[in-house]
Amino acid sequence: AQTVTQSQPEMSVQEAETVTLSCTYDTSENNYYLFWYKQPPSRQMILVIRQEAYKQQNATENRFSVNFQKAAKSFSLKISDSQLGDTAMYFCASMNYGGSQGNLIFGKGTKLSVKP
Amino acid sequence: DTGVSQDPRHKITKRGQNVTFRCDPISEHNRLYWYRQTLGQGPEFLTYFQNEAQLEKSRLLSDRFSAERPKGSFSTLEIQRTEQGDSAMYLCASSTRLAGRQETQYFGPGTRLLVL
Repeated sequence: AQTVTQSQPEMSVQEAETVTLSCTYDTSENNYYLFWYKQPPSRQMILVIRQEAYKQQNATENRFSVNFQKAAKSFSLKISDSQLGDTAMYFCASMNYGGSQGNLIFGKGTKLSVKP
Repeated sequence: DTGVSQDPRHKITKRGQNVTFRCDPISEHNRLYWYRQTLGQGPEFLTYFQNEAQLEKSRLLSDRFSAERPKGSFSTLEIQRTEQGDSAMYLCASSTRLAGRQETQYFGPGTRLLVL
């Protein structure tokens, strides 16, 4: 069974600084996707960044980038130049590529607070 | 707005009552997922549809839960004889599945259920 582990329940960072959120996963599949989703307080979950496991190049999306280490099954999220609007719960998730299911497996989340 | 919508956003009910939630996916998406999120946890998969067919149900989905997606458009999730343990946020997500690949899931704002 797939599992996703986020070992940091809470983190804080000063505005304009850089923070890294950790995620490890376990899967027996060779082809899968990894995601980071953001859930601001009382607001809906939105996609931050996505990584296809078959791609060696780390995904980037503006201030957000990932460090994908396939052999170590590690998938960390780096947020550069943190902004107050980055305050949210961040969830790491995995999903099998292809197949008939395709549901997301989520970690328990990391609560990030950006302080002015 | 062409995102995923859910109705109602909040529902308070008494134990033993039936409740029904609605999800309207992004119009061109053929897959629709239901997740449940309890406080301090990541979302957990309940069930999903491809068009009008319900293809998978989690063991979390007890006999008191039923979901439908008539005509492959909107979906409803009904909980019969609600219990206090059903209190949670119920999230809907939609995606497409093209050429055997799973695509990114986009989430609605959720329905927060409180069972008294």
